[in-house]
Order: sequence, then structure tokens, then C-alpha cells
Amino acid sequence: NAGVMQNPRHLVRRRGQEARLRCSPMKGHSHVYWYRQLPEEGLKFMVYLQKENIIDESGMPKERFSAEFPKEGPSILRIQQVVRGDSAAYFCASSPFRDGEQFFGPGTRLTVL
Amino acid sequence: DAKTTQPNSMESNEEEPVHLPCNHSTISGTDYIHWYRQLPSQGPEYVIHGLTSNVNNRMASLAIAEDRKSSTLILHRATLRDAAVYYCILSRGSTLGRLYFGRGTQLTVWP
Repeated sequence: NAGVMQNPRHLVRRRGQEARLRCSPMKGHSHVYWYRQLPEEGLKFMVYLQKENIIDESGMPKERFSAEFPKEGPSILRIQQVVRGDSAAYFCASSPFRDGEQFFGPGTRLTVL
Repeated sequence: DAKTTQPNSMESNEEEPVHLPCNHSTISGTDYIHWYRQLPSQGPEYVIHGLTSNVNNRMASLAIAEDRKSSTLILHRATLRDAAVYYCILSRGSTLGRLYFGRGTQLTVWP
């Protein structure tokens, strides 16, 4: 059973461009969580999705950020018009049920020039 | 959300036991205690979790105080690969499964 996969592993964008981060959960997992880790800080929860539904987006910035988890395909975290402050490591985690152990992917490191 | 307090850093020698403390004085009766760790440049990794009783698995042991206001993660024989940031996290039903990571404890293991 392959682990949680994230791509790309590294992403460089210029200010104003869009960043699209992908997360493929473990097989059989329908719960996906996105976290952001700014340099020298701990992970911060962003959004929790369950197939085709956003359950909790209380940690997501109100503007420029969106997330989806379609019926088919990976979960996508989309950042529009990126700014330098968006530079961070973005991790997704999946779980077979709501309060289950979360399995984390290797992360996508976004650098905004 | 219930808060946890951990030392910023700890050190150990290889093959020695390590006891990583965590205080959670505001824990509620339904809060689970989770431990995750994050190796350099990697995503967090589940270590262990418990509610009231002490727990053991292949990675570690979790000792929970009788009043549940503190817990200790025990690595029985530290290896160089155990050098990581260790996070103690509480979860409850109202948090819908999301995890709140604090600053954690940076564990350094010396050869």
C-alpha cells in the first residue's frame, strides 16, 4: 500500500502566479487534511476534506486559497496570486476515518520569488 | 483547544532511554493524547496515542499520569534515526480530527 503522495515536491513561483499542489491519499482513505509549515514554525491546520466535501476550512486564509477533493483524482490545494509570505512547506495527511491516525505525505515546498 | 507544554529541546546518547514529557493540565475527559514526530525535511509521522492507560507499540511507550494532566513518551533505546521534533497533541471530537501542532521538543541523539 503506497503512502500518501504529494507532487510536486518542490515548486517555484513568481509573485502573482498560481500554485497548484496535489495530494493522493492512501488507498481506502477518504479523509484528507492540509497543513502549512512556515519556516521555523510548527504545522498549522488549513482544511479538512472528505470526498467531494469541505468539512472544515477554518484554518484556510479567506482569500486566494481553495481546496477540493473530487470523487476521482487527488486532492488539490490551489493558491492564486501567490505572495512571498506563501513560501512554506505544505503537507497533506489522509486517514481512513475522522479521528483516525493521520498519515502524512512528504510535503510540497513552495518558494515564491 | 486544549494546550500542551513541552520542553523546547532534549538530548540523549545513542542506545539510552529517552523520556519526553508533556503537560496538558486542561485536558478533558474525552481528549486523546497523540504523539507525532517529524524528521528533518519530512512530513510528520505517527508515533503513538492513548486515552487513560499506558500504551506500548513497536516504536515507543506512552505513560499517562493518573490524573491525565501529563504524559511521557518513552523511547526505550534511542537511535540516531530518532533525532526529530516530537509533538504532543490532544484531540477531541469537536476538532473534527484536525491536529494542532505546537513547537514540539527537538530531540538530539549523540553517537
